[in-house]
Amino acid sequence: GENVEQHPSTLSVQEGDSAVIKCTYSDSASNYFPWYKQELGKRPQLIIDIRSNVGEKKDQRIAVTLNKTAKHFSLHITETQPEDSAVYFCAAPQVGGYNKLIFGAGTRLAVHP
Amino acid sequence: SAVISQKPSRDICQRGTSLTIQCQVDSQVTMMFWYRQQPGQSLTLIATANQGSEATYESGFVIDKFPISRPNLTFSTLTVSNMSPEDSSIYLCSVEGGPGVEFFGPGTRLTVL
Repeated sequence: GENVEQHPSTLSVQEGDSAVIKCTYSDSASNYFPWYKQELGKRPQLIIDIRSNVGEKKDQRIAVTLNKTAKHFSLHITETQPEDSAVYFCAAPQVGGYNKLIFGAGTRLAVHP
Repeated sequence: SAVISQKPSRDICQRGTSLTIQCQVDSQVTMMFWYRQQPGQSLTLIATANQGSEATYESGFVIDKFPISRPNLTFSTLTVSNMSPEDSSIYLCSVEGGPGVEFFGPGTRLTVL
């Protein structure tokens, strides 16, 4: 089955810096890679996703890149702001039957003013 | 995206009792999912609930402990049975919003004494 590894587990940056979170997956058939942001006490919110037919997708200050050959994908946040502080989860589907999502362990991002 | 609500939002229960958590969505969805998120941890899928069929449980989760109902396309319940302090966690439902896409409910924070 699918295995998703996420690094780093914690990340601390100064406001205005960039942050990068990386995930690797094991199932080469996986074709959809979402990123969720979970603020303290809140539900996970889908912030960006990418499908395997593209290599990069951007939405304002966030972007996701995908390398299918190496089986890894990354979340990039530019010009970080204190409100970006949260736990970020990557995920990949376990292909076959219904495509349930397998989540990474999470990255706690702290943006310091 | 769908509007998803959960009841209760939080509860404190005595060991040995059971709690039923409700998940309501404002549109018809084929697939609903139940997750557990232990403090500081990632999201672990308990089971997938499809209307008109038995729930499909993940490894480590059994129907006797976590019975699930899915009476229609907008509603599901998860019961946590014969609770122990180890069941203290956040329980989240999610719904499929497109191929592989999941949206989460606000969660139910359960504390078992």
